[in-house]
Amino acid sequence: ILNVEQSPQSLHVQEGDSTNFTCSFPSSNFYALHWYRWETAKSPEALFVMTLNGDEKKKGRISATLNTKEGYSYLYIKGSQPEDSATYLCAFPKYNFNKFYFGSGTKLNVKP
Amino acid sequence: NAGVTQTPKFRVLKTGQSMTLLCAQDMNHEYMYWYRQDPGMGLRLIHYSVGEGTTAKGEVPDGYNVSRLKKQNFLLGLESAAPSQTSVYFCASSYPLTGENEKLFFGSGTQLSVL
Repeated sequence: ILNVEQSPQSLHVQEGDSTNFTCSFPSSNFYALHWYRWETAKSPEALFVMTLNGDEKKKGRISATLNTKEGYSYLYIKGSQPEDSATYLCAFPKYNFNKFYFGSGTKLNVKP
Repeated sequence: NAGVTQTPKFRVLKTGQSMTLLCAQDMNHEYMYWYRQDPGMGLRLIHYSVGEGTTAKGEVPDGYNVSRLKKQNFLLGLESAAPSQTSVYFCASSYPLTGENEKLFFGSGTQLSVL
């Protein structure tokens, strides 16, 4: 079992604030790091799949960076909107067995 | 555009009862997974399958069995339900690990309560 940690557990911000949160994962035997967005009463949906050290991905106001040497990834949301309220999960796939290990998520609440 | 479909969406069982959760995907994915989600914890892998006719244990397999008789279907069985199995269950599927194509596609979840 691999240790994938996310912080903070929850975050409350005002509309328009920018925010970021962290996913930490084992730095050895790195293959990829996934970010998923999970809205209440819906299925988790993939945001980013990151594979290269120094990788930066962007989707609208959301972006993510990756540092495989030190074992962390940051997710940034610029100018948060109420529709960004969701739980953001990171997942670390173990290549040999194709298992994905998930962090416990960061629950973001954006107040109008 | 069905994607991953789980049935049922909700179920209440009494301790000792059995049930089967069905997952169906129409994306021709090789890999399928069953996860459970409990408050304060991440998604935990119960069982997974890398192809038709194959299954393997995940992190928390005890009390569950699975079968993958057809490529598109992955069944999760509870033979004798226990209150500790009260959870939200998610099925997911993916392509084999080939880079950025292996992201997971999730079903909508099954809320199971065991009394």
